[in-house]
Parts: sequence; structure tokens; C-alpha cells
Amino acid sequence: GAVVSQHPSWVICKSGTSVKIECRSLDFQATTMFWYRQFPKQSLMLMATSNEGSKATYEQGVEKDKFLINHASLTLSTLTVTSAHPEDSSFYICSARVGEGPYEQYFGPGTRLTVT
Amino acid sequence: DAKTTQPNSMESNEEEPVHLPCNHSTISGTDYIHWYRQLPSQGPEYVIHGLTSNVNNRMASLAIAEDRKSSTLILHRATLRDAAVYYCILSLFNQAGTALIFGKGTTLSVSS
Repeated sequence: GAVVSQHPSWVICKSGTSVKIECRSLDFQATTMFWYRQFPKQSLMLMATSNEGSKATYEQGVEKDKFLINHASLTLSTLTVTSAHPEDSSFYICSARVGEGPYEQYFGPGTRLTVT
Repeated sequence: DAKTTQPNSMESNEEEPVHLPCNHSTISGTDYIHWYRQLPSQGPEYVIHGLTSNVNNRMASLAIAEDRKSSTLILHRATLRDAAVYYCILSLFNQAGTALIFGKGTTLSVSS
């Protein structure tokens, strides 16, 4: 199956700093990627849809100025958490769907962000 | 997206079959039924999907009710590695640009 990678797998940063998370599709091109956030013992919450070459579409309640998403190529999308605070500590997961049908959505392994 | 309802948790013994139910009474004719699972501290993993007919793959089987208002994911012989949260999700065909929306899922525990 298609492979999606994320970097870093975990990161610890100080409050007020910014952190960038990369999501790459390794063996396919993804015109659309998705970013999710998952708090402990909760389900995945969709944050935004990232479209190559255009602005991301954010879900209601997600601050677009705080969570900057860039999808500069067909294989790379980045999520930057700006001015991070402890409440931003979470598991961030990216994904991409392959093809135009009801095909699988492939997920990255996730990035654990801890803000101290 | 149409809503799905799953039990919060289920338990199984190793090497026994597991039937994970999902209710989706408001499913539309164009909704596909997807199952994903998430192991601890990992991203979700595709398990299986179907539309109307029952489906089998190397991981599991998907049994879809005739009226499509419910489905069951079947793990034929549970192993300890199958302990995970299983999500039943509906999505429209031909919407690659639309993300899958996750509910709470069913936490499956497998005992040896």
C-alpha cells in the first residue's frame, strides 16, 4: 500500500515557540492531504484539508493563523504550530487518499508534540 | 457524513473470532462503509471497505446487512496484535478530496 511518513515522530518545545511537522507521501502523489489532531483517549479530529498549490481549508474552530499549513508539492505538506502553548500538546496525524474512488486513506505514523 | 454507532469496547480471547458491529441507519445509497483501526500511538490503518456485498481480504471480512443499515467487521482469529480501536466510517464515492471523519470507535481487547 501507499506510504505516508511524518517528521519528526516526536518533539518537545517550549511555550511560545513554533514547531513544523512534515508529512510526505513516499510512493504516490497526493493532491490533497489531511491533518488530524488526537488528544489522549479521544478520537481523531480533522483540523484541515491541505490542497497542493492552494490555501488549506480549515475545520470550524481551528485557528488558521495558529496552525499554518503549506502544501508546496504533490508529496509534501507541512503543519506549523505557531506560538505553541501546553494545550497544543497532542498527537498530530496526516493522511492522504489515493485515487478518485472510495479508496483507502493512508495515514502517517503521527507526531507527538509536547509543549512545556 | 452519515453517522455510525459502535459499542465503546469489546473483549475477545486469542484465536477466537471477533464480530465488531456498526449501525448506520441513515446511510445513503452512495455511501461506502470503511473500517480502519488504530493501534496505540500509531496512525490509523485501513482494514476493509465495501458498498453492498460482503467483502473479504487478508485482514478481515466485512458483512453488510441487506438493507445496509448495519455492518459487521469479522476478524476470523484474533491475535494480541489485533488489540486496537476499530473505526467504522461512511464516505461518499468519488470524493478523494474529502477526509474521513472518525467517530469514537470500538476498543478491542484481546486476551491470551
